Amino acid sequence: EAAVTQSPRNKVAVTGGKVTLSCNQTNNHNNMYWYRQDTGHGLRLIHYSYGAGSTEKGDIPDGYKASRPSQENFSLILELATPSQTSVYFCASGDVGNNQAPLFGEGTRLSVL
Amino acid sequence: GDSVTQTEGQVALSEEDFLTIHCNYSASGYPALFWYVQYPGEGPQFLFRASRDKEKGSSRGFEATYDKGTTSFHLRKASVQESDSAVYYCALGDHSSGSWQLIFGSGTQLTVMP
Repeated sequence: EAAVTQSPRNKVAVTGGKVTLSCNQTNNHNNMYWYRQDTGHGLRLIHYSYGAGSTEKGDIPDGYKASRPSQENFSLILELATPSQTSVYFCASGDVGNNQAPLFGEGTRLSVL
Repeated sequence: GDSVTQTEGQVALSEEDFLTIHCNYSASGYPALFWYVQYPGEGPQFLFRASRDKEKGSSRGFEATYDKGTTSFHLRKASVQESDSAVYYCALGDHSSGSWQLIFGSGTQLTVMP
């Protein structure tokens, strides 16, 4: 069964600290995505990837980096976390070539204090 | 830039009522249109997609028709159940770059009372 797994599910970080959110997919999809969800804004795209070694900026990339070391794994990195980055983060995988719409993980709730 | 507007932030219905959630879009190209549903504590789940004018997408009793003339993709269901209570998101995407970079609306919270 298609699956996107995020870790951790919950994270509390301090301002100025480094945070890494991890995502693993077993769907063999080429594309992976990181979104954040905030009330009133829906989901907004932070970074995405076409495949291993590829990272691209989405609509709101400032303050975030991404890493795609393999087909299965896609990380979101906050080098210097700020309270404005408190949010729920969702990872997704999809494959345009196989007509597969993005499938989402269960999310990571991040609080930056 | 491209955008999606969902006019209803919240919708409250009784079981067996007819549902309409409005979705309008603005896009420079010819995007595909999507509906996702999100239950509490979970990630958004793909419902269905339509890619061409007048194409109807459907799943689980929900349906929507791509209307290029009115730039709309309204979600409808003939008879809602309490289990349909969730947040519904309309989204648009252009895959010409080789990746679905979806733009989401702000979501509509549907509450169905027994």
